[in-house]
Amino acid sequence: RKEVEQDPGPFNVPEGATVAFNCTYSNSASQSFFWYRQDCRKEPKLLMSVYSSGNEDGRFTAQLNRASQYISLLIRDSKLSDSATYLCVVGGTSGNTPLVFGKGTRLSVIA
Amino acid sequence: EAGVAQSPRYKIIEKRQSVAFWCNPISGHATLYWYQQILGQGPKLLIQFQNNGVVDDSQLPKDRFSAERLKGVDSTLKIQPAKLEDSAVYLCASTRYGSGANVLTFGAGSRLTVL
Repeated sequence: RKEVEQDPGPFNVPEGATVAFNCTYSNSASQSFFWYRQDCRKEPKLLMSVYSSGNEDGRFTAQLNRASQYISLLIRDSKLSDSATYLCVVGGTSGNTPLVFGKGTRLSVIA
Repeated sequence: EAGVAQSPRYKIIEKRQSVAFWCNPISGHATLYWYQQILGQGPKLLIQFQNNGVVDDSQLPKDRFSAERLKGVDSTLKIQPAKLEDSAVYLCASTRYGSGANVLTFGAGSRLTVL
């Protein structure tokens, strides 16, 4: 089992749609969770951290289920500018534990 | 705050040649990472430095890859000799120490093509 697995893409959705991405991780000792966004031919950038209680940032909602070792990202009211690859990232308790990236899920929002 | 600087942005070499990439992290960031990102995949950690010490280099192909961060600031990643499968983007990232230590800031990357 890979350390971090994500839904295969691409996801092609119309503007205004709601889309959800899932991610599972294998290391039950993992303590930090993130979603990064990567635009085509650009570097990854932090989209949001994922907390145990779940968190929301505008149209984006992230949730964590530790029991199932599962992370999700929900995007509501998709915009054309949301088109990118979304990377699920899992790490340990401190900066000394490497962050592991999933392969990413590509989203294309269509007008 | 200035970002993570990397150079060169692009490099094309033939197999068996050598190449070096340079990274200057954000000022005050103690931890520096080199990731390799092959097309269609997520970034894979090659090496992690804490100041000038190596924290993790378990996935660094040490027969051909080397990296150093001599003064705990900028870093160099070298490949010698290069193979076709080394074609990738080499991303440098840095983080603060302590709170927020897991929030990576990446440089723009160095894109390597091996012919």
